[in-house]
Amino acid sequence: SQQGEEDPQALSIQEGENATMNCSYKTSINNLQWYRQNSGRGLVHLILIRSNEREKHSGRLRVTLDTSKKSSSLLITASRAADTASYFCATSRGGFKTIFGAGTRLFVKA
Amino acid sequence: NAGVTQTPKFRVLKTGQSMTLLCAQDMNHEYMYWYRQDPGMGLRLIHYSVGEGTTAKGEVPDGYNVSRLKKQNFLLGLESAAPSQTSVYFCASKRPRGVGEKLFFGSGTQLSVL
Repeated sequence: SQQGEEDPQALSIQEGENATMNCSYKTSINNLQWYRQNSGRGLVHLILIRSNEREKHSGRLRVTLDTSKKSSSLLITASRAADTASYFCATSRGGFKTIFGAGTRLFVKA
Repeated sequence: NAGVTQTPKFRVLKTGQSMTLLCAQDMNHEYMYWYRQDPGMGLRLIHYSVGEGTTAKGEVPDGYNVSRLKKQNFLLGLESAAPSQTSVYFCASKRPRGVGEKLFFGSGTQLSVL
């Protein structure tokens, strides 16, 4: 069974707007990661947040983690057409396995 | 530095045929993984390896076998392909826990079983 579940499944916004994606998970974690996948390509790591962290920034990305609610959010500010991709959250517990959610498909209209 | 390389990129099999997918990484990573990606399902872990000569089952291991004879290579085998194994397969690798959690992915193998 999948650990992470993203919401929404799909999101369409205009260029310049902010995009927010959410992820919920079921069990305790060591860290939560977000990955991006362009159509027909492999996944690329975006950002990692550890279980003892609440917020993390990287460029136009902002990730929050609420371990009491077992949820995380990824905010992409000032989105660009090039941000069009699928975004996945992934969780790790014991350091060996990383389990992925079903992903959010983001479409940014120019 | 090639990173993670998967071969082949595309393959069409008939039901019952066998094949091996090869994953090679040049980053000296200890951990390697095989995932499959199906529409609307995200990535599901098939098998993984935490070092040369070791393998372990993931979420959906049935119908697949793996081997890690060399640290840089991780092979995924289908002994008797079934249409349900039509999918995109991704290999990934990473450094051990405590050093780095980030997964590095190959570009995928699109497999169709007719």
